Amino acid sequence: ENVLTQSPAIMSASPGEKVTMTCRASSSVSSSYLHWYQQKSGASPKLWIYSTSNLASGVPARFSGSGSGTSYSLTISSVEAEDAATYYCQQYSGYPLMYTFGGGTKLEIK
Amino acid sequence: DVQLQESGPDLVKPSQSLSLTCTVTGYSITSGYSWHWIRQFPGNKLEWMGYIHYSGSTNYNPSLKSRISITRDTSKNQFFLQLNSVTTEDTATYYCARVPTATYWYFDVWGAGTTVTVSS
Repeated sequence: ENVLTQSPAIMSASPGEKVTMTCRASSSVSSSYLHWYQQKSGASPKLWIYSTSNLASGVPARFSGSGSGTSYSLTISSVEAEDAATYYCQQYSGYPLMYTFGGGTKLEIK
Repeated sequence: DVQLQESGPDLVKPSQSLSLTCTVTGYSITSGYSWHWIRQFPGNKLEWMGYIHYSGSTNYNPSLKSRISITRDTSKNQFFLQLNSVTTEDTATYYCARVPTATYWYFDVWGAGTTVTVSS
């Protein structure tokens, strides 16, 4: 199983700051199959970035994603209060067929 | 717009079976996509459980393979999760979700989730 490790587990930022969170895989992941979700308290996860760098519908342009191989990141260029949430990375592997999630990064806004 | 809604008991006794329903509106589950169950444990870890493809084929997380079954009722546009021999470790929020097939394998629509507690 390809284990995804996210860091930091918790981070705090002030409005306007640039933040970056990372997702590291124990084995290489195709960039097409690495995705990010945003989950706010009490809600279900929402697809946020798909295939490493493509913003899902309605996601603000201040979000971006990058990476390849075993290291991926999600960056917010200028954090806003509404970005407070937990962000999860997720990967798909075809053999054995498996979907796995990282442990999440909780973003708090000061 | 497609919507998914989970339903089922919120309390299950240890050793019994957990049975949940996902009702899909706005799209036929036989027209496309794969239809998944995912759970989130207290502490927020997410675990993929398995899916039923629009063709009716299924695939399960190997860690659950001996206990899980996903079926469907196409006349009601619903799919179901059955998890046998539950323990307190199966206490979680259970989500149903959709994956576009033959693309990039992400969960593009999720239900609101239903919390199930396993306790005597």
